[in-house]
Amino acid sequence: AQKVTQAQTEISVVEKEDVTLDCVYETRDTTYYLFWYKQPPSGELVFLIRRNSFDEQNEISGRYSWNFQKSTSSFNFTITASQVVDSAVYFCALSSIQGAQKLVFGQGTRLTINP
Amino acid sequence: DTAVSQTPKYLVTQMGNDKSIKCEQNLGHDTMYWYKQDSKKFLKIMFSYNNKELIINETVPNRFSPKSPDKAHLNLHINSLELGDSAVYFCASSQPGTGVMGEQFFGPGTRLTVL
Repeated sequence: AQKVTQAQTEISVVEKEDVTLDCVYETRDTTYYLFWYKQPPSGELVFLIRRNSFDEQNEISGRYSWNFQKSTSSFNFTITASQVVDSAVYFCALSSIQGAQKLVFGQGTRLTINP
Repeated sequence: DTAVSQTPKYLVTQMGNDKSIKCEQNLGHDTMYWYKQDSKKFLKIMFSYNNKELIINETVPNRFSPKSPDKAHLNLHINSLELGDSAVYFCASSQPGTGVMGEQFFGPGTRLTVL
């Protein structure tokens, strides 16, 4: 069975601080996809990144960066120089590559950036 | 242009009623999904259809019945509504290919409140 754990339920930081959201996953698949989604207070789900299990290179997109470590089954997300607009619930998710491609979500981390 | 749309956005109803939520995607995707987000923000897959065929049916009460009249539409009908059905329901679509999982595009969500 697949499982995603986001141990941090809530994080609160002051603007301009860096913050890392942790994600640990379990799967028996040898190949899989990992995702991060953002859910702002308005409620929609915004896609941030998809990472293939073949590719362990870290990725950076502006102030966002992702650290994928297959050896520890982790896919952590860092926001550098956080801004108030980053306040949201962030979800890590996992999917098989073959077969039924459903997303298995973590519990979410509520991030609050205070001015 | 809205990629994945859901109607209604809000639905308030009494226990025991029957209601439907509609979903349409204009992305030309073959696969559509229903997810449920409970009051603790936990997101879980309910159903998935590929080209009008049911491919994922999680442990959902049979009061929930998805219907896909064509690959652009996936509706969710709920019979005999219960208090525990109160949640936000998200529709999503993707275009899986051989060995590749496309990004899942989510609709804006339908907030269902059962009184």
